[in-house]
Amino acid sequence: KNEVEQSPQNLTAQEGEFITINCSYSVGISALHWLQQHPGGGIVSLFMLSSGKKKHGRLIATINIQEKHSSLHITASHPRDSAVYICAVMNYGGSQGNLIFGKGTKLSVKP
Amino acid sequence: SQTIHQWPATLVQPVGSPLSLECTVEGTSNPNLYWYRQAAGRGLQLLFYSVGIGQISSEVPQNLSASRPQDRQFILSSKKLLLSDSGFYLCAWRTSGIFSYEQYFGPGTRLTVT
Repeated sequence: KNEVEQSPQNLTAQEGEFITINCSYSVGISALHWLQQHPGGGIVSLFMLSSGKKKHGRLIATINIQEKHSSLHITASHPRDSAVYICAVMNYGGSQGNLIFGKGTKLSVKP
Repeated sequence: SQTIHQWPATLVQPVGSPLSLECTVEGTSNPNLYWYRQAAGRGLQLLFYSVGIGQISSEVPQNLSASRPQDRQFILSSKKLLLSDSGFYLCAWRTSGIFSYEQYFGPGTRLTVT
């Protein structure tokens, strides 16, 4: 079983829809990241969370430490939101400080 | 401000040929450096990390190696590429320290081994 699981793997939405991507993890963490990867491969950091909720524009990220679960929400989705969204965690107490990644959720928003 | 460079952006290499990918960081000193790989249909996986010059740790057995000849330079190499080495290679850095959680990513290199 992977240490970081994302769902769904693929998601198709109509423009304007509210979107939720889920991430569950099985290790103790120092922080959780939501990342966006465009077709060319480049990765953009959207959020880093260790508790609670963060909002940036139409994007909202929440985390429940007790349940080891995080969600990424996109309100009023737009075709330009089409990308792969990746959840990654930093293992608590890990001396390396590396991230453990989920496999990603491929989002396609149709006009 | 901090910047991370990676080159080349894309690379097509025959099986058995050598490989050298370079990553450099600007605007910070003594960063922790990471090489990740994303194989087709899989998530990003840690290959190597470095906490200082000449200090390299490997997470996954493979025919790749890494070196850190300077504080802000991280190189990924192979003497003979395999088909299974194809993938997207990502360099990343973070500030050293156990309470440093933010990680910064390079643009990546897409490697195709033919």
